[in-house]
Amino acid sequence: DAKTTQPPSMDCAEGRAANLPCNHSTISGNEYVYWYRQIHSQGPQYIIHGLKNNETNEMASLIITEDRKSSTLILPHATLRDTAVYYCIVRAYSGTYKYIFGTGTRLKVLA
Amino acid sequence: GAVVSQHPSWVICKSGTSVKIECRSLDFQATTMFWYRQFPKQSLMLMATSNEGSKATYEQGVEKDKFLINHASLTLSTLTVTSAHPEDSSFYICSARDPLWTGGSYEQYFGPGTRLTVT
Repeated sequence: DAKTTQPPSMDCAEGRAANLPCNHSTISGNEYVYWYRQIHSQGPQYIIHGLKNNETNEMASLIITEDRKSSTLILPHATLRDTAVYYCIVRAYSGTYKYIFGTGTRLKVLA
Repeated sequence: GAVVSQHPSWVICKSGTSVKIECRSLDFQATTMFWYRQFPKQSLMLMATSNEGSKATYEQGVEKDKFLINHASLTLSTLTVTSAHPEDSSFYICSARDPLWTGGSYEQYFGPGTRLTVT
């Protein structure tokens, strides 16, 4: 089973920041949080990952709470092209590390 | 980032026939690849883990005799859907793990997916 829970859908106005929350209360101490997104009928695209410190790259910022039980992906200036399903993933280990996808958040950026 | 390709991008086949889908890591060698399937408006479901030179590990509920996985080289894994039926129609996505340990973890890259329609 997926180790994360996310709201099923969110809307965001174009140009505004999109804040996507994720709960991962059972995360273990050395597990990373990964974020991917999937635009319709394409493969998932890597966005960002982090362990405990906040991370930022050209696409997004990742804020992880101090207890690491939740995180927020921030798209600072959402555009229409950011409309996608966003997946927060904590790897599961069963012989090898695997990505088990949860239901994700369907983000719709509105013009 | 690294590139993973899939071929074909879409395929239509008749019920009862078999279809092979290829997954290639283009600029790195992947000892581990993964196969997912995705039904419309649903999330990705992990089917199996493919390890180069050894048998694939299937997730619970996935029929190994129906979904044959071969990972004969470090850059190629194949998924063969045998005796396909309309209920096998789905979006099949592979991913490949970059064996380099960077930034504290292994990166995993996804292919663009293959849409299979069984008539």
